[in-house]
Amino acid sequence: QKEVEQNSGPLSVPEGAIASLNCTYSDRGSQSFFWYRQYSGKSPELIMSIYSNGDKEDGRFTAQLNKASQYVSLLIRDSQPSDSATYLCAVSSGYALNFGKGTSLLVTP
Amino acid sequence: KAGVTQTPRYLIKTRGQQVTLSCSPISGHRSVSWYQQTPGQGLQFLFEYFSETQRNKGNFPGRFSGRQFSNSRSEMNVSTLELGDSALYLCASSLAQGGTYEQYFGPGTRLTVT
Repeated sequence: QKEVEQNSGPLSVPEGAIASLNCTYSDRGSQSFFWYRQYSGKSPELIMSIYSNGDKEDGRFTAQLNKASQYVSLLIRDSQPSDSATYLCAVSSGYALNFGKGTSLLVTP
Repeated sequence: KAGVTQTPRYLIKTRGQQVTLSCSPISGHRSVSWYQQTPGQGLQFLFEYFSETQRNKGNFPGRFSGRQFSNSRSEMNVSTLELGDSALYLCASSLAQGGTYEQYFGPGTRLTVT
């Protein structure tokens, strides 16, 4: 069974700090990795995709992938209260996305 | 570009009935996937269609079915509804070519079974 694991949180960080979100996956054949943000009562919104080992930066977000360790992470720099949401890690080895249960992030002013 | 649209947004059905949900993908996207989201199980994959062909199916009973039309619009159907089918049903579209596999979600259909 293909599993994607995330700490449920809540992860609480002060405004302006770096939030670090982690995800591990079980399927070594996974090729595509995504981070989604989901606000309460809304649908998931894609914020980052990463396909190869290393770091990928987009604005305040950095995704990190280590396929050998089967580990994906998301860093959010200069965290804002508006970043408070559930962050979902998704992993794909084909046409389906397998999602973690999500990490709840709370950014306190 | 317009995003993924889903209709209806909210639905209340009675146990034993059937329901059809509709999804229109982003223009140019030929892949449509369906997911069920519940508080207990999180987001779970139902099925994926590309050019009217189902390419992958999740671990759901046969009561859950879907199809895709030539214009890439997709529908999913749930027959003989059970209380446990109450969930947010999400549709996502993807270009699914040229190394681009990002999926973009619609707003979802909130189904309540009573």
